[in-house]
Amino acid sequence: EAGVAQSPRYKIIEKRQSVAFWCNPISGHATLYWYQQILGQGPKLLIQFQNNGVVDDSQLPKDRFSAERLKGVDSTLKIQPAKLEDSAVYLCASSLGIGGGINTDTQYFGPGTRLTVL
Amino acid sequence: GQNIDQPTEMTATEGAIVQINCTYQTSGFNGLFWYQQHAGEAPTFLSYNVLDGLEEKGRFSSFLSRSKGYSYLLLKELQMKDSASYLCAVNTNAGKSTFGDGTTLTVKP
Repeated sequence: EAGVAQSPRYKIIEKRQSVAFWCNPISGHATLYWYQQILGQGPKLLIQFQNNGVVDDSQLPKDRFSAERLKGVDSTLKIQPAKLEDSAVYLCASSLGIGGGINTDTQYFGPGTRLTVL
Repeated sequence: GQNIDQPTEMTATEGAIVQINCTYQTSGFNGLFWYQQHAGEAPTFLSYNVLDGLEEKGRFSSFLSRSKGYSYLLLKELQMKDSASYLCAVNTNAGKSTFGDGTTLTVKP
């Protein structure tokens, strides 16, 4: 079974530029998560989708970050314009569903995109 | 909100046993995950506890006390490949997991 795919793996941009990340979850997984992980910290949830609807985006800086999950499968996360403090690894994860414990809530992570903002 | 505390770093010797603690405060608790994250890689699932008690899986065991807001991960017969960050994540009944900042374990020969 294929895992969670993400691209690009690395991205270097200047501040105030825009950038987009792509994620393809495990087939059949209804829930998709985007996390920001700053070096030395745990993953911080940016947005959670259930199929193509948003479940939680309370920590998404909506003035510069946006995300969509068209057709309830692939997802893109965009930053526009980027700031120096956005330098981090952006992790995408998927799970089977929501609220059913180990079977539905166990998250499977992609390899991440390492973003450097200069 | 949720508050999760783990020690930042731990060091142990190959072949030894190490216990990594996690304390949490949350509402809507639905279980607690432990994930392992090697440097430069993505987190991978280790264990899940929803009821009080000890869950054993090979060299790794995880314990939960819901009344105390406390969990630990126990690693036995440590190997060099166990050097990694160990993330405690509290799961709510909305299916959201909030992660601690992780404990970086270094295993020395």
